[in-house]
Amino acid sequence: NAGVTQTPKFQVLKTGQSMTLQCAQDMNHNSMYWYRQDPGMGLRLIYYSASEGTTDKGEVPNGYNVSRLNKREFSLRLESAAPSQTSVYFCASSEGVQNQPQHFGDGTRLSIL
Amino acid sequence: GENVEQHPSTLSVQEGDSAVIKCTYSDSASNYFPWYKQELGKGPQLIIDIRSNVGEKKDQRIAVTLNKTAKHFSLHITETQPEDSAVYFCAAGRGWGRRALTFGSGTRLQVQP
Repeated sequence: NAGVTQTPKFQVLKTGQSMTLQCAQDMNHNSMYWYRQDPGMGLRLIYYSASEGTTDKGEVPNGYNVSRLNKREFSLRLESAAPSQTSVYFCASSEGVQNQPQHFGDGTRLSIL
Repeated sequence: GENVEQHPSTLSVQEGDSAVIKCTYSDSASNYFPWYKQELGKGPQLIIDIRSNVGEKKDQRIAVTLNKTAKHFSLHITETQPEDSAVYFCAAGRGWGRRALTFGSGTRLQVQP
């Protein structure tokens, strides 16, 4: 069982470049999430998709866009990368009904120079 | 929105001792409280969760307690082992949508052999 798969695992970008982070889940979950993790700040929600065909902003959406491609896949795009977006990005999924746990991928470590 | 505070930020114990991590939350509407363990280079992994209609839950060496009146919940690990060394995150939320989960800032637990 793969669970939640994120690609790539590591990436270095230059300021101003664009990039798409990919996420796929094989648990038939309805809801998917993108978080960023910065030292000492826990995980902060960037965007989420409650169900296929819907997306909505989280706590820190500025500078990002998302696409829920189908039920399995949820991508995160940085249109013009900035050094402040250097972080570890995690994708998660859940069944989408109340009080069900989120399952996380192993993250994408992104550095922007 | 929800605000979750987690203490301590670091915790060092001797193998076989108990470890306790505490969290407080601000949103009285939160009704779902998971705990995650994150090992180096990996994504957060759910270890235990509790819902607001339950005051305590136990799974082998791990237990969680919830005091809804005081808005705090705690993770207890007994008979700690070196493999328990990791970063632990608490979270609180309504279990779905934008307010699904708000994470604490994490506790780095070191179990000394």
